[in-house]
Amino acid sequence: KAGVTQTPRYLIKTRGQQVTLSCSPISGHRSVSWYQQTPGQGLQFLFEYFSETQRNKGNFPGRFSGRQFSNSRSEMNVSTLELGDSALYLCASSVTGNLYNEQFFGPGTRLTVL
Amino acid sequence: AQSVTQLGSHVSVSEGALVLLRCNYSSSVPPYLFWYVQYPNQGLQLLLKYTSAATLVKGINGFEAEFKKSETSFHLTKPSAHMSDAAEYFCAVSDREDNDMRFGAGTRLTVKP
Repeated sequence: KAGVTQTPRYLIKTRGQQVTLSCSPISGHRSVSWYQQTPGQGLQFLFEYFSETQRNKGNFPGRFSGRQFSNSRSEMNVSTLELGDSALYLCASSVTGNLYNEQFFGPGTRLTVL
Repeated sequence: AQSVTQLGSHVSVSEGALVLLRCNYSSSVPPYLFWYVQYPNQGLQLLLKYTSAATLVKGINGFEAEFKKSETSFHLTKPSAHMSDAAEYFCAVSDREDNDMRFGAGTRLTVKP
């Protein structure tokens, strides 16, 4: 069974631009969660989608948004990029979306904002 | 809300020595606790998880962790370190109320030959 895939793996943008990251979960998994990983703040939960509905959201500004499609693939969008948005963005999928169950992580998208 | 604290951002051991990575949690409800490992340029891989069954949890690659409610701890151990264990390790907590996952700051494990 293929794992969680994220595209692109690396991305360079400039301040003020917007970016869209994509995540394809493991086949059969209906939940996708997104995390931001930075050296200063560590791993922080962004949001979780289940069956195309956002069920939970972390403490991030409205510039961070996401959506999930009917095939469970998810996209994350960041508008008006800031230097501090430079991070590794990780996507994780699970069967049920209960985050106390096992999540499977993708390799991440490394975003650099110049 | 729940949280975890990992003691020691960097741990160095010799190959063959005991590995001990410390994690303390804070939760007002019964927690679910996890240890993940991250190798360079990769995502996180689950090592083991505690979900209120046995307090001693065995995971992959010879790792295990013991849930101690009285000490609010969930330390990760491995009897004999291998060079391939060098990576960053994250402790995480979740529960049925908040349904989000909180990670510790991570501990980078170095294994010396």
